[in-house]
Amino acid sequence: AQKITQTQPGMFVQEKEAVTLDCTYDTSDPSYGLFWYKQPSSGEMIFLIYQGSYDQQNATEGRYSLNFQKARKSANLVISASQLGDSAMYFCAMRSDTGRRALTFGSGTRLQVQP
Amino acid sequence: DARVTQTPRHKVTEMGQEVTMRCQPILGHNTVFWYRQTMMQGLELLAYFRNRAPLDDSGMPKDRFSAEMPDATLATLKIQPSEPRDSAVYFCASGLVLSRGSGNQPQHFGDGTRLSIL
Repeated sequence: AQKITQTQPGMFVQEKEAVTLDCTYDTSDPSYGLFWYKQPSSGEMIFLIYQGSYDQQNATEGRYSLNFQKARKSANLVISASQLGDSAMYFCAMRSDTGRRALTFGSGTRLQVQP
Repeated sequence: DARVTQTPRHKVTEMGQEVTMRCQPILGHNTVFWYRQTMMQGLELLAYFRNRAPLDDSGMPKDRFSAEMPDATLATLKIQPSEPRDSAVYFCASGLVLSRGSGNQPQHFGDGTRLSIL
C-alpha cells in the first residue's frame, strides 16, 4: 500500500521569498513517480512537477523544484520567489510504475502568499 | 492545449435522483480515472480504466455508483439513487500509461463536477 503524508496544513510566506512544502511517502514498490499538483480556489488541479524514483537529479520546472531524498522517503516542493498567484492548496501524490497506476494523494498544504 | 473536459461543472439535485457526470479525456490518452474530493476524505480514487477496460473500481460504492467508457472519447460516472453523502467534487483525469513504467507522464485533470445532493 502507498501512503503520502503532508504534515503542514497551512503555510504562510512573504511575496518574493522561497517556501518549502513537505511531503513524505511510504511504498514497497521498487519503481514509482512522485507528483505535485496545485489547486487554486477556483478548484482545478494543475500539474506542477514530477520526480521518478530512479532519477538521479532533482526535478525542476521554472520556479518549482523538488527536493527528492529517496533514503528518507521525502519529496519536498520548493517554490522560489513566491508570487501572490501561488496562493493555493498543494497536493503531493505518488504512483506506482507497476500494478495500479492511480495516484495516491496527501491531505494537502494550503499556502498563502502575503504581500 | 489539450485538456480533459467534464460536464456539468455544477449539479444540484434532490436525494434519490440519478446523477450522470461525463468526461472527455485527452485524445491519445489510454487511461481514465475518476476521483472524488471531500473535506473529510480528501482525494480518493473511485475507478479507473485502461484502454476502456475497467481495471479498478474498488473505491466505488457498487450498489449505487457505476462507471463506464462507451467509447474512447467518453467516460461516465453515474449515481443512482443519489444521497446527501455523495456531495463532493468529482474529478476525471486522463493519462498515458506505457507498458513499461510511465516515465514522466502526469495525469491531467478536468475542472471537476461540484455535486450537491439535497
